[in-house]
Amino acid sequence: SAVISQKPSRDICQRGTSLTIQCQVDSQVTMMFWYRQQPGQSLTLIATANQGSEATYESGFVIDKFPISRPNLTFSTLTVSNMSPEDSSIYLCSVGRAGETQYFGPGTRLLVL
Amino acid sequence: GENVEQHPSTLSVQEGDSAVIKCTYSDSASNYFPWYKQELGKRPQLIIDIRSNVGEKKDQRIAVTLNKTAKHFSLHITETQPEDSAVYFCAASGPGGSYIPTFGRGTSLIVHP
Repeated sequence: SAVISQKPSRDICQRGTSLTIQCQVDSQVTMMFWYRQQPGQSLTLIATANQGSEATYESGFVIDKFPISRPNLTFSTLTVSNMSPEDSSIYLCSVGRAGETQYFGPGTRLLVL
Repeated sequence: GENVEQHPSTLSVQEGDSAVIKCTYSDSASNYFPWYKQELGKRPQLIIDIRSNVGEKKDQRIAVTLNKTAKHFSLHITETQPEDSAVYFCAASGPGGSYIPTFGRGTSLIVHP
């Protein structure tokens, strides 16, 4: 299984600012994903981070709000832009192949004041 | 797209009792059904999975059953222990473009000592 790390593990931010979350994997992976988990809720897919091309966003999520970078096969970043209190959530990256188990990073706990 | 329904949302049992969590899915092309356990403040982790060519799979106190015709699958935990207390998520994914898993809403299992 892949070993996944995320930075920062948690942060408290002021509204209107932006935060970039990093996800590092210990092996090369084709697909990386970004999820949001609001308190007491399920996992909602934000986007698929594609290496060498633009991320693929799910309905309700847009690039201007959640820009994603994927410079290589072991690293990705998710930026939460122009934050509001509604963006307070846990953000998780994950990796997994088609029809296989997904492995999750430890998550970034974000509180927006 | 795929839709996964999970019930119950909360399940409270006494230590030693059995616990059953049920999920239904909508896309008959789905062929991989993992179950994740998420302890408080931790990342979701795979506990068991089943593929569509199998009806049942067991791993010690945990079992998963799949009924392809009815499009539902269930998680069974026997002889529950307090450390089984967590949120459990089911998911369904399929081949090709639908391989990104769709998660259920989660079941909060509480095992009382």
